[in-house]
Order: sequence, then structure tokens, then C-alpha cells
Amino acid sequence: SAVISQKPSRDICQRGTSLTIQCQVDSQVTMMFWYRQQPGQSLTLIATANQGSEATYESGFVIDKFPISRPNLTFSTLTVSNMSPEDSSIYLCSVSGGQSSYEQYFGPGTRLTVT
Amino acid sequence: GIQVEQSPPDLILQEGANSTLRCNFSDSVNNLQWFHQNPWGQLINLFYIPSGTKQNGRLSATTVATERYSLLYISSSQTTDSGVYFCAVELNTGGGSNYKLTFGKGTLLTVNP
Repeated sequence: SAVISQKPSRDICQRGTSLTIQCQVDSQVTMMFWYRQQPGQSLTLIATANQGSEATYESGFVIDKFPISRPNLTFSTLTVSNMSPEDSSIYLCSVSGGQSSYEQYFGPGTRLTVT
Repeated sequence: GIQVEQSPPDLILQEGANSTLRCNFSDSVNNLQWFHQNPWGQLINLFYIPSGTKQNGRLSATTVATERYSLLYISSSQTTDSGVYFCAVELNTGGGSNYKLTFGKGTLLTVNP
């Protein structure tokens, strides 16, 4: 399985500011994803990060709010822009990989608190 | 979109007990995975199991795709099994896989010593 790291692991931010979260994988992967987990809730897919093209966003998520970069096959960033307290969540990146290539593996997450 | 329902929502066990967690889904799926989120938030991939049965130590899982459900069995539970267990599926759209997972709401398992 891939080893995935995220930076920062946690942050406390002021409303109106932006935070960029980094996701680094120890091997080249085709598919990278960004999820949000609001307090006490399940995971919701934000977008699929495509290498060399624009990210594909799920319903309810827009590029202006959550711009994503995917400059190569091992790295991606998610920016949470113009933050409000409602953006307080855990943000997780995941990759597909494994023997079947369909299994997904998750990073440790970034705990964001917006005050 | 596809609906994923997990039951029970909460479960409290004494160490050593066995348990069965259920995941029902509303449509045909390409992909079904079980995850464990530990109390520190890390998600661990337990099983990739779109059909059939798999076992890994004290854990096993069975998916009956034709009846649209999956079961996760935990035997001889330990306190370290505590956390949230998520079932996640990928809708079968008839084309190639898009790898997009839809998660259920999870089962919160607490194992007491």
C-alpha cells in the first residue's frame, strides 16, 4: 500500500483567510482524491485531482472555494479559501492503489478549525 | 446517487465478544471497501470486497452483490478495535471505473475492557 503524508496535521485559522493542505505519496499514483469529514460525520468527496488537467469537483463544491493542484503523480494540494467556521473539518487525501488498483488508501488528515 | 446504509449506528461490546456490522447499498456497485477510523482519525483500509468472502485475522467480510449488502465480522473483540467502521462503495455506471467512493455514516464501535 502507498504511504501518504499530509501537511499540516492541524491548524487553527481566522475566518476570511485561506489554508493550503499538501498531500505527498511515496509512489506514483494515477488517482488522488480529496475528502471532507465534518465533525461527527462521514466522509464526503470534494474532488478528484487529475494530473495534468483540471480537478473534477463533486456537486456542492466549487473550484473558487477549493482550488486543487496536481503538478505530478506523487503530490497534490487543496486550498480552502475565504474560510468560515463551517469549514472546520478534517480534510483527507486518498489515493487508489494496491494489487487490484481499486483499493483506496488515506492520508492521516488535516484537522482544520476556523475561528 | 447511490445510498449506503450502515447498521447498527452504535455498538458497545465487552472485550472478547463477537459482532456483525452490516452495510446495505441501493444500486449495483463496482467496488466496496470497509475502513476502520481509529480514535486519532486515521482511516485504515480493512477489505476491498466487491463480492465474496475474505478473512484477515479476527476480521472477515462477506459481500452478496446480488442482494446488495455486505457484512463485517469482528471476533474476539479487543479494545483496540474501538473506532468507527465505514463501508464505502463505487456506483457501477456501466462504463469504466471512476474510483469515486460514497461512504455510509459508519458504525461507532466501543469495546470495553
